[in-house]
Amino acid sequence: DAGVIQSPRHEVTEMGQEVTLRCKPISGHDYLFWYRQTMMRGLELLIYFNNNVPIDDSGMPEDRFSAKMPNASFSTLKIQPSEPRDSAVYFCASSLVLQEWRDSYNEQFFGPGTRLTVL
Amino acid sequence: AQSVTQLGSHVSVSEGALVLLRCNYSSSVPPYLFWYVQYPNQGLQLLLKYTTGATLVKGINGFEAEFKKSETSFHLTKPSAHMSDAAEYFCAVRASNFGNEKLTFGTGTRLTIIP
Repeated sequence: DAGVIQSPRHEVTEMGQEVTLRCKPISGHDYLFWYRQTMMRGLELLIYFNNNVPIDDSGMPEDRFSAKMPNASFSTLKIQPSEPRDSAVYFCASSLVLQEWRDSYNEQFFGPGTRLTVL
Repeated sequence: AQSVTQLGSHVSVSEGALVLLRCNYSSSVPPYLFWYVQYPNQGLQLLLKYTTGATLVKGINGFEAEFKKSETSFHLTKPSAHMSDAAEYFCAVRASNFGNEKLTFGTGTRLTIIP
């Protein structure tokens, strides 16, 4: 299995430009998560999907951020327009919820991240 | 709501010495607890997890952690540090109720191994 795939690995752009980050989850996984990691704020959950449907987007910082999951094998996180304070490493993770008992447990598998720099 | 506090943003230990990384949690419902490791320029990798059952859990690379409900703690230990353990470690918590998949991470502890 190739694991979670993210592209690009590095992105440098200028303030005001649109940025699109891409993620391919592990095949068969039904949850997909987008995180942002910065020195100041640590690792923050932005949004997560279940079966391509957004479940919780309370971590999305503002309207400039949007995420989509058009199918089970692809998701995008878009920032428009980008600002210098959006500079961070963005991680995508996926998981498969195991319903072996009444409660579920999932392990989230992380991609290598996209390092975004907004000048 | 869930939260995690990791005490010590940087920890240094000598090679062969005990590793102890501290994590305290807050949760309004029984928690599931996790430790993740992040090597430079990589994503996070699961070290170990506590869901239910035995409170002492063993993970990869010789790490283990003990869930102590009375102390709301989930400290990570390893008896003998190796140079390859140098990385950043994150404690995370989520609620155990079905359907809530949101993980809340601590701010991380950077572990340095002194030769």
